[in-house]
Amino acid sequence: NAGVTQTPKFRVLKTGQSMTLLCAQDMNHEYMYWYRQDPGMGLRLIHYSVGEGTTAKGEVPDGYNVSRLKKQNFLLGLESAAPSQTSVYFCASSWAGTPDNEQFFGPGTRLTVL
Amino acid sequence: AQSVTQLGSHVSVSEGALVLLRCNYSSSVPPYLFWYVQYPNQGLQLLLKYTSAATLVKGINGFEAEFKKSETSFHLTKPSAHMSDAAEYFCAVSDLGNSGYALNFGKGTSLLVTP
Repeated sequence: NAGVTQTPKFRVLKTGQSMTLLCAQDMNHEYMYWYRQDPGMGLRLIHYSVGEGTTAKGEVPDGYNVSRLKKQNFLLGLESAAPSQTSVYFCASSWAGTPDNEQFFGPGTRLTVL
Repeated sequence: AQSVTQLGSHVSVSEGALVLLRCNYSSSVPPYLFWYVQYPNQGLQLLLKYTSAATLVKGINGFEAEFKKSETSFHLTKPSAHMSDAAEYFCAVSDLGNSGYALNFGKGTSLLVTP
């Protein structure tokens, strides 16, 4: 049982390049989330999904797109990377849509955009 | 909207001393509150959560937190700090709006434990 995994762990991009971050969970969770973590800012929600085939915008969605074609996977895409997207990206999942549900986090992807 | 504020971005304690990390919340309805810990270069791990069942919540690794409605607080404590407690701690509240119950995080408190 791997929990939540993220690929890749590290990535360096040049401005304007594109990439996709992959999040996978093996807990059969319905809800999945992408957050970004910046120094002194805590974690902020980028996009989320409440089930296979559904996605929605969070607090800071600009410059990102997501897809949830399979229940276990949640992809985060950057079409044209900008230095402001340099951050640590965390994926999380939870099994149900109730406010007391624990979210399980992946180990993070550290992205640098030059 | 639900939000939390963590007082003190850095806290330093001696090994064996009391750990107190402060969190205040803002919510017009009863909140669902969480404390997460992040060890260096790792993801976040749940320490404990408050869901209105009891005001004193016990978590993992000897941590506990007390929900005080009158003070809108949910401070995290541990009686005796260990070196292994050095980490970043995040208070969070469940967003009860249209975000799939995502978490709204505080900015975090970095705990340093000195010998």
